[in-house]
Amino acid sequence: AQSVTQLGSHVSVSEGALVLLRCNYSSSVPPYLFWYVQYPNQGLQLLLKYTTGATLVKGINGFEAEFKKSETSFHLTKPSAHMSDAAEYFCAVISGGYNKLIFGAGTRLAVHP
Amino acid sequence: EAGVAQSPRYKIIEKRQSVAFWCNPISGHATLYWYQQILGQGPKLLIQFQNNGVVDDSQLPKDRFSAERLKGVDSTLKIQPAKLEDSAVYLCASRPAGGGLGNTIYFGEGSWLTVV
Repeated sequence: AQSVTQLGSHVSVSEGALVLLRCNYSSSVPPYLFWYVQYPNQGLQLLLKYTTGATLVKGINGFEAEFKKSETSFHLTKPSAHMSDAAEYFCAVISGGYNKLIFGAGTRLAVHP
Repeated sequence: EAGVAQSPRYKIIEKRQSVAFWCNPISGHATLYWYQQILGQGPKLLIQFQNNGVVDDSQLPKDRFSAERLKGVDSTLKIQPAKLEDSAVYLCASRPAGGGLGNTIYFGEGSWLTVV
C-alpha cells in the first residue's frame, strides 16, 4: 500500500522568507506525486506534480518541488513567501491501477508580516 | 472550461436525518471520485467511479452511505442516517479518460456538512 507523511501540521514563516513543506511517501512502485493547495472554504487546486522525467518540478505561484527517490521525499519549496500563500497544503500519491489518489494529513502554512 | 460543480455548498442536519450531495464533473471526464475531508485531516477516498461503474468503494461505510453515477455523468452521494462523526467536507473530483497515472484530478469546492 502507498502512503504519504507530511512532517509538521503547522508551519509559520515571515513574509519574504523561504517556505519548506516536507512530504515523504511510501511506495512499492514508481510513484506519481502531487501537491495541492486549499484556501479557506475552497476546494483543492493543483500546485504541481511529478510523473516522470525531470526531478525538479515547477508549479504555479512560484512553488517548486524536487523528487528524491533515495530519500522517498517530495518537499515543496518557495524562495520568498507572500501573504497570499497562507493556506493548507496537501501532498498526495497515486496508488494502484485505478489512480487512487492518497493524501497526507496536510500542512497549514501561516505567513506573518 | 467549467469546473467540477457541487451542491449544496453547506448543509446542517440533525443526527439520524438523511442528506444528499450532487456532483457534476467536468464534461468528458470518465473518472469521478468522492472524498471525505474531516477538519484537520487530509481527504479520504470514499468511492471511485469509472464511467458509471464502481471501481473502489472499500472505504465507503455502506451501512449508511450510498453513491450512484447515472449514465456516467452526474453523481449523488447519500448519507442515511447521519451520525455526528459524518460532519465533514465532501469533495467531488474528476479525471479525464486516457493519459497516464499522472493525469490531473480536478476538485470541486466541496459540500460542507454539519451534523448536530
